[in-house]
Amino acid sequence: GAGVSQSPSNKVTEKGKDVELRCDPISGHTALYWYRQSLGQGLEFLIYFQGNSAPDKSGLPSDRFSAERTGGSVSTLTIQRTQQEDSAVYLCASSSTSEGTGELFFGEGSRLTVL
Amino acid sequence: SQKIEQNSEALNIQEGKTATLTCNYTNYSPAYLQWYRQDPGRGPVFLLLIRENEKEKRKERLKVTFDTTLKQSLFHITASQPADSATYLCALGNTNAGKSTFGDGTTLTVKP
Repeated sequence: GAGVSQSPSNKVTEKGKDVELRCDPISGHTALYWYRQSLGQGLEFLIYFQGNSAPDKSGLPSDRFSAERTGGSVSTLTIQRTQQEDSAVYLCASSSTSEGTGELFFGEGSRLTVL
Repeated sequence: SQKIEQNSEALNIQEGKTATLTCNYTNYSPAYLQWYRQDPGRGPVFLLLIRENEKEKRKERLKVTFDTTLKQSLFHITASQPADSATYLCALGNTNAGKSTFGDGTTLTVKP
């Protein structure tokens, strides 16, 4: 596609359930990022994938959070045993290292509400 | 630890005036600094990048300055319009396509 695609756009779940959020980056982009944005706040870094290198997981808030990127393209962020404090917008971005600007192309986000 | 501060959470100005947004950082030596625009319910959109060896960058009505001594970037929108109303985020990074760290953003409202 022309841009970064995220699904679902909205997800309402009950506390304790697992959720999966999907990100389809721009074709050819080697770098993929997940950020979290709580209401009225800035972006909190979660995890970063670059090509075949080991991902930078330094931003994951707990071991309930995990992410994978299959075939260097689509990525899935999984939150296990969701808590109310996990409610936020989860943003995915991709970037092309060949362009050299570090410009991030963001999707529209997945809004997660944990009841 | 690294800290990024953007000026007051909200900035209100009159149409036609110049808006100036501030991004200050501490405990960080970024190779570049970026500015993004975010509209409600949307993902951020890249506006400008300025590298550590550049003092100023312009794009249409936008101007960004970068002072690595003061550890500060200023983002100016000249001849502001109501359509410029949005939240503006600064982000700092050290390597191309490496992890970028974002500020909390400043919400700009341009009144007609």
